Amino acid sequence: DVKVTQSSRYLVKRTGEKVFLECVQDMDHENMFWYRQDPGLGLRLIYFSYDVKMKEKGDIPEGYSVSREKKERFSLILESASTNQTSMYLCASSLGLRGQPQHFGDGTRLSIL
Amino acid sequence: QKEVEQNSGPLSVPEGAIASLNCTYSDRGSQSFFWYRQYSGKSPELIMFIYSNGDKEDGRFTAQLNKASQYVSLLIRDSQPSDSATYLCAVIHSNYQLIWGAGTKLIIKP
Repeated sequence: DVKVTQSSRYLVKRTGEKVFLECVQDMDHENMFWYRQDPGLGLRLIYFSYDVKMKEKGDIPEGYSVSREKKERFSLILESASTNQTSMYLCASSLGLRGQPQHFGDGTRLSIL
Repeated sequence: QKEVEQNSGPLSVPEGAIASLNCTYSDRGSQSFFWYRQYSGKSPELIMFIYSNGDKEDGRFTAQLNKASQYVSLLIRDSQPSDSATYLCAVIHSNYQLIWGAGTKLIIKP
């Protein structure tokens, strides 16, 4: 089975802090994704990566950056956290862009105070 | 018009009955279709995928795809209270981007 591991299940940070969310997958998947999910807004794609050191903006990249130095690890960075970034953050991976499903980690519920 | 549309629900179904969840999509060139189940506070879990027209069965779940009418359905037979969740439809468009529906909340009443 695919295993996608997110470093924290719950996280509380303060406004203005730099926040790192880590995601690791163990299935040698090329593609990795970061989403946020808010009530009534569904899943929204922040960034994705289809190869090491490659990244593409999703629908809502503002205020975020990403890093993919190794194939198995994809990090989401909140450069200066703000209260409107309080959300559930979900990492996913997939074997390939063409027709393959995404598999999710357990999610990180991030609160910015 | 949203690219992938689902009725938000909630859809209430008696235990033991068939639950029918529907999803329509706008891109006629879409190739791959997925159903995910998401329990409250949890992450989405893949339960079915379908690529070709027709039906695909897996246990109590059946996915139905009709490309001409641009809809995909999920049937859950012998519904159980543990099936109560939000069901997300996801479609890979012709540009290979995965588009998510907003989900249908399903409630199975004992």
